[in-house]
Amino acid sequence: DSGVTQTPKHLITATGQRVTLRCSPRSGDLSVYWYQQSLDQGLQFLIQYYNGEERAKGNILERFSAQQFPDLHSELNLSSLELGDSALYFCASSVQVSGNTIYFGEGSWLTVV
Amino acid sequence: GDSVTQMEGPVTLSEEAFLTINCTYTATGYPSLFWYVQYPGEGLQLLLKATKADDKGSNKGFEATYRKETTSFHLEKGSVQVSDSAVYFCALSEGDMRFGAGTRLTVKP
Repeated sequence: DSGVTQTPKHLITATGQRVTLRCSPRSGDLSVYWYQQSLDQGLQFLIQYYNGEERAKGNILERFSAQQFPDLHSELNLSSLELGDSALYFCASSVQVSGNTIYFGEGSWLTVV
Repeated sequence: GDSVTQMEGPVTLSEEAFLTINCTYTATGYPSLFWYVQYPGEGLQLLLKATKADDKGSNKGFEATYRKETTSFHLEKGSVQVSDSAVYFCALSEGDMRFGAGTRLTVKP
């Protein structure tokens, strides 16, 4: 158990809908990362937050947004969902903003039908 | 920008064979380097890491040495087991963490 908690574990929704994925980082970790893992594109970095502020942005679509709240939990919002958004979404956390080990949650499986 | 390139899989080996998974990186500064492992149905777990040139990370019989001159961080294990079957990711961090595409390893008895 990494200490990173993600909910829900599985989610099935229809195209055009909106979903929210939630992440609670390890106790004491200030940095949260979101990744998307799909069969054809591997592990893609989406976005990083550090202590509530956006720190780095990767290949995140405009239909997707995220935020980190004062209690340090984070949410990833996915809207206008398409079939191609079906993937495993991972949250990870670390103590510092860079250079150190990050710890992954077990992921949220999103299936868009 | 920073990136990682690792050998494509899948890799299939017999038990007790020697394993090498190549990883090279591109970075503007001096990143920390990592190997993560993902077992079926699970999230990624840290396998080993190195934070500066010539450092060797090791864990569970796996090793990798941070080679600045060749910008490489190859993963090796002298004798693989069936339980090592997983997907292995090389990664670097100068800010956010960037991952390679992953290499699927299957070890057969």
